[in-house]
Amino acid sequence: EAGVAQSPRYKIIEKRQSVAFWCNPISGHATLYWYQQILGQGPKLLIQFQNNGVVDDSQLPKDRFSAERLKGVDSTLKIQPAKLEDSAVYLCASSGGLAGEGQYFGPGTRLTVT
Amino acid sequence: AQSVTQPDIHITVSEGASLELRCNYSYGATPYLFWYVQSPGQGLQLLLKYFSGDTLVQGIKGFEAEFKRSQSSFNLRKPSVHWSDAAEYFCAVGPMFSGGYNKLIFGAGTRLAVHP
Repeated sequence: EAGVAQSPRYKIIEKRQSVAFWCNPISGHATLYWYQQILGQGPKLLIQFQNNGVVDDSQLPKDRFSAERLKGVDSTLKIQPAKLEDSAVYLCASSGGLAGEGQYFGPGTRLTVT
Repeated sequence: AQSVTQPDIHITVSEGASLELRCNYSYGATPYLFWYVQSPGQGLQLLLKYFSGDTLVQGIKGFEAEFKRSQSSFNLRKPSVHWSDAAEYFCAVGPMFSGGYNKLIFGAGTRLAVHP
């Protein structure tokens, strides 16, 4: 079974530029999550999708971050404009929706904003 | 408020020594409990999980964890550490219901270093 795919793996941009990350979840997984992991911290949930609908985006900085999951499969997370404090690893995860299943994580995208 | 505390930021052990990583949680009810491992440059890999039954759960790579309700703890253990176990370990809690709302709350992580 293929895992969660993410691209790119690494990205370096200047502040005020825009950037987009892509995620392809495990086939059949209805729930998709985007996390931000700042160096030295645990992952923080940014947004959670159930199929193509948003379940929780309470911690998404909506003035600069946006995410979509068209057709309930792939997802894109965008930052525009980026700030220095956005430097982090952005992790995508998916789950099948069963209680206690846990989440399956992709390798992440390391973003450096200079 | 729901939270997860991993009291040890860094732990260093010698190869072959035993290991225990601590995790304490604060939750309104009995949650699902997870341990994940993150190697450098990698995503998180699930080591083990607890949701009911035997309070001692076995996971991959020789790890085990024990759920202690009275102490709100879910400590991770391994009897003999290998150099390849050097990584960051995250404890997480999640709600005990299905429907796709399996939001996890993560601890800040414990970074494990292994001396030869």
